[in-house]
Amino acid sequence: GEDVEQSLFLSVREGDSSVINCTYTDSSSTYLYWYKQEPGAGLQLLTYIFSNMDMKQDQRLTVLLNKKDKHLSLRIADTQTGDSAIYFCAESRYPNSGNTPLVFGKGTRLSVIA
Amino acid sequence: DAGITQSPRYKITETGRQVTLMCHQTWSHSYMFWYRQDLGHGLRLIYYSAAADITDKGEVPDGYVVSRSKTENFPLTLESATRSQTSVYFCASSDSETDTQYFGPGTRLTVL
Repeated sequence: GEDVEQSLFLSVREGDSSVINCTYTDSSSTYLYWYKQEPGAGLQLLTYIFSNMDMKQDQRLTVLLNKKDKHLSLRIADTQTGDSAIYFCAESRYPNSGNTPLVFGKGTRLSVIA
Repeated sequence: DAGITQSPRYKITETGRQVTLMCHQTWSHSYMFWYRQDLGHGLRLIYYSAAADITDKGEVPDGYVVSRSKTENFPLTLESATRSQTSVYFCASSDSETDTQYFGPGTRLTVL
């Protein structure tokens, strides 16, 4: 299939690290994204990584990209209760073509246990 | 205020009625998108637009109509609403340099 795949649920203890995994399908995707959705809200861009990078770090967030395996991960260090949300992985299937729909995974629901 | 807004935030309608969901952005982004979010399906693209007067179908366009007469507005119309169109609808606009999409807060639509 053509889906972006994510596990649906992840539960971690407060203070631990969370790792959310994603596999994508299009090796020519230029950008890969992580979005966060809190209850009743829209999607908020967390970070993105350009496909020629292996890693990107932004404060508590670390994105790892394995192009060979088409695997993307988001690590959240020192996870807090405020990190509880749904996290979406997305790829840009038509990079720099002018029309740039993103293809989203179904989302991983992160629950943080105090 | 700058950003992307949607209206109404909540809407209840009946089967067969026409409904229009509004989307407005202040960034002058060329690209705009409509998605629906349903349990078990994630986000699915309905329609998108590269610029004023240019629109294209996404994954699930049937039963929907869009227009883009001005860059900042991208309304979505359900011509004859059906129960299967009960969903949360998100509008987004895109920064063309990085393909990054910025989302509105969503419209929760219930079709009875």
